[in-house]
Amino acid sequence: DIQMTQSPSSLSASVGDRVIITCRASQSISAHINWYQQKPGKAPKLLIYAVSSLQSGVPSRFLGSGSGTDFTLTIYSFQPEDFATYFCQQSYRIPYTFGQGTKLEIK
Amino acid sequence: QVLLQESGPGLVKPSETLSLNCNVSGGSITNYYWTWIRQPPGKRLEWIGYIYNNGRPNYNPSLTSRVTMSVDTSKRQLSLKLTSVTAADTAVYYCARGWGISTSLDSWGQGSLVTVSS
Repeated sequence: DIQMTQSPSSLSASVGDRVIITCRASQSISAHINWYQQKPGKAPKLLIYAVSSLQSGVPSRFLGSGSGTDFTLTIYSFQPEDFATYFCQQSYRIPYTFGQGTKLEIK
Repeated sequence: QVLLQESGPGLVKPSETLSLNCNVSGGSITNYYWTWIRQPPGKRLEWIGYIYNNGRPNYNPSLTSRVTMSVDTSKRQLSLKLTSVTAADTAVYYCARGWGISTSLDSWGQGSLVTVSS
């Protein structure tokens, strides 16, 4: 299975901060990476697909980038509603796998 | 707008079969990767598998021997069956819609907690 490793596992941020979450795949996954946001007790929500495409309705402060094995999710000007857990997911090879999550908390 | 809603027993006994349904309302039910994912308490999301256009499903190899997925397009309903469950199968189970080259999951059900316990 392709292992997806996120860093950091948790992060404290203030409103207005720029936040960067990284995801590293155990092998090249081309452009087959998606990012999700999950709030407590809720289903995940798609933010970014295929590395850098913004899902409809998602604010433009979310930006995805990367290639091969290393990918990042950047949140520009962090907002109160962005406090959540973020997951990456590879869809290059079955079984599709997820990162362990990055929990963003209030500083 | 598509809405997905899981339903099924919240408690299943060890060695029995877990059965969940997912009703799909709104949108097309064809040409999507209908996917099941689970999230054990405190653990990462685990992809169970998907079925596309009622064709041959693709399962997580770790679950292949125990899992069955199907789609009833006339009822607009997905189903998941997992046999011989143990406590390790306790999780929130989600159905989701996948699409596109990266098979991203753009719509999710609210999730159904299934606890395996006697």
